[in-house]
Amino acid sequence: DGGITQSPKYLFRKEGQNVTLSCEQNLNHDAMYWYRQDPGQGLRLIYYSQIVNDFQKGDIAEGYSVSREKKESFPLTVTSAQKNPTAFYLCASWDSGTGYSEQFFGPGTRLTVL
Amino acid sequence: GQQVMQIPQYQHVQEGEDFTTYCNSSTTLSNIQWYKQRPGGHPVFLIQLVKSGEVKKQKRLTFQFGEAKKNSSLHITATQTTDVGTYFCAAHTGGFKTIFGAGTRLFVKA
Repeated sequence: DGGITQSPKYLFRKEGQNVTLSCEQNLNHDAMYWYRQDPGQGLRLIYYSQIVNDFQKGDIAEGYSVSREKKESFPLTVTSAQKNPTAFYLCASWDSGTGYSEQFFGPGTRLTVL
Repeated sequence: GQQVMQIPQYQHVQEGEDFTTYCNSSTTLSNIQWYKQRPGGHPVFLIQLVKSGEVKKQKRLTFQFGEAKKNSSLHITATQTTDVGTYFCAAHTGGFKTIFGAGTRLFVKA
């Protein structure tokens, strides 16, 4: 099965700790994205990557960091500098070569910082 | 920056009633996509519209793209409880970014 996996589904951390969210895709897509969703809200772009070893800040990058060492993987680190990290985090990918704009989403990780 | 405004924020309907959500942009869009997110789930792609004035149908769902390519709508005929969720419009900026509307959350009462 082709798709995007995110782990874990639920994550609890103490305030002041960094935490890394996993995102893996086997769709062979070049572009990958991280979004944040707060209850009852839309999707806000944190970071995106067009290609391996390259990534750009989205609209709310402060307090987050990413890496893209492999095409399949785009982990997101929520640092202690993020003031309100409790949220639902969604990873997505896109095949930029098709001309079709559909993004494929993973199941998401719900992060709760206590 | 570019924004996509979506209304209404919430809609409560009785099962069998129709539902419409609207998406508006101040700038011309190259295309627009619609996604559905079930409660507790992740967004799932429904459709993409590209052409001015385009209308596409998927069973009880009708999608329209405005003539000026600045607005779009999703209409559901005779809602069912399975239609519950949040519907998002999204616009590809031409680069690698996609701008999502805030979503319309649909509640269906049986």
